[in-house]
Amino acid sequence: GENVEQHPSTLSVQEGDSAVIKCTYSDSASNYFPWYKQELGKGPQLIIDIRSNVGEKKDQRIAVTLNKTAKHFSLHITETQPEDSAVYFCAASPRNSGNTPLVFGKGTRLSVIA
Amino acid sequence: NAGVTQTPKFRILKIGQSMTLQCTQDMNHNYMYWYRQDPGMGLKLIYYSVGAGITDKGEVPNGYNVSRSTTEDFPLRLELAAPSQTSVYFCASSGSNEKLFFGSGTQLSVL
Repeated sequence: GENVEQHPSTLSVQEGDSAVIKCTYSDSASNYFPWYKQELGKGPQLIIDIRSNVGEKKDQRIAVTLNKTAKHFSLHITETQPEDSAVYFCAASPRNSGNTPLVFGKGTRLSVIA
Repeated sequence: NAGVTQTPKFRILKIGQSMTLQCTQDMNHNYMYWYRQDPGMGLKLIYYSVGAGITDKGEVPNGYNVSRSTTEDFPLRLELAAPSQTSVYFCASSGSNEKLFFGSGTQLSVL
């Protein structure tokens, strides 16, 4: 089955700097790669996603890149702000295999220091 | 739209008690999921459903049961609560585009 590894587990950056979180996956059949943000005391919320037919997607200060050959994808946050502090989860979906649910990484706790 | 609604938000159980965590969604999503999140840890899938009348086990199903009699509702049942079930429980739903919508969670303590 699919296995998703996420690094780093914690990340501290100065306000205004960029943050990068990386994930690798094992199942070459996976074709959908979302990123979720979880603020303290809340449920995870989808912030951006990418499908296997594109290499990069941007939404304002956040972007996701996908390298299908290497089986890794990354989240990039530019001009970080204190409100970006949260836990971020990557996931992969081997949906080509049927109704298999998303497989999540273990999360990255991002702290943006003002 | 309310999205995914979970009740209760907090609950304390004694060992051996039973309870049902409620989850309902108003987005007409076919797929629904239950996850647990231990402190400082990631999300572990307990059970999921691809439609009314169909359920399947996830990574950590022992000690839990689910049912899916309607599209909207997906309750999670704990029959004999154990301290190891102390966790935060999240319900989620998705449509055919795979985008998951999570509820706000139920914080459960078993003492």
